[in-house]
Amino acid sequence: AQTVTQSQPEMSVQEAETVTLSCTYDTSESDYYLFWYKQPPSRQMILVIRQEAYKQQNATENRFSVNFQKAAKSFSLKISDSQLGDAAMYFCAYRSTKAAGNKLTFGGGTRVLVKP
Amino acid sequence: AAGVIQSPRHLIKEKRETATLKCYPIPRHDTVYWYQQGPGQDPQFLISFYEKMQSDKGSIPDRFSAQQFSDYHSELNMSSLELGDSALYFCASSLGRGSYGYTFGSGTRLTVV
Repeated sequence: AQTVTQSQPEMSVQEAETVTLSCTYDTSESDYYLFWYKQPPSRQMILVIRQEAYKQQNATENRFSVNFQKAAKSFSLKISDSQLGDAAMYFCAYRSTKAAGNKLTFGGGTRVLVKP
Repeated sequence: AAGVIQSPRHLIKEKRETATLKCYPIPRHDTVYWYQQGPGQDPQFLISFYEKMQSDKGSIPDRFSAQQFSDYHSELNMSSLELGDSALYFCASSLGRGSYGYTFGSGTRLTVV
């Protein structure tokens, strides 16, 4: 079974600065999807960014970008020019392309605090 | 744009009671997933449906059952509720295999007293 690990329970960043969240995963598959979800205090789960494992190019969505290292099974999220609205829990998630049902397996989450 | 609708938003039940949570996916989405998120925990997969058939099953207790109806909405039925069932229950939907990610609802917060 796949596992997803987020080693940083909490990260603090100054407004307008950059913060990087780490995520590692364990899988024997070669094709899969990786996601970062944001969960603000409202508890809504919001998709931030996705990466397809067969694509070498790192995904980017505005101020959010990933560093996908397939061999190292690492998928970090960089938040640039941090804003107060970025404060939330961030979950890394894995999705197999082979398993039935296509469920997401989440990491334990990293809480991001943004200081004004 | 239409989102995933979950009802109710909050629910308080006593031990041993029954609860029914409802999920209305985004129009044309044919796949529904249920997740349970305990306090301070990451979401745990419970069950999923594709085209009204169960497609995968996770750590869902035998006391829970779910189904997807002809209009693609889904209901999670929880019986003999226990204090440990208190959690946020998310429903998510996708079109097909969800390669582009899932859209989550706002969740139902269940409190068992």
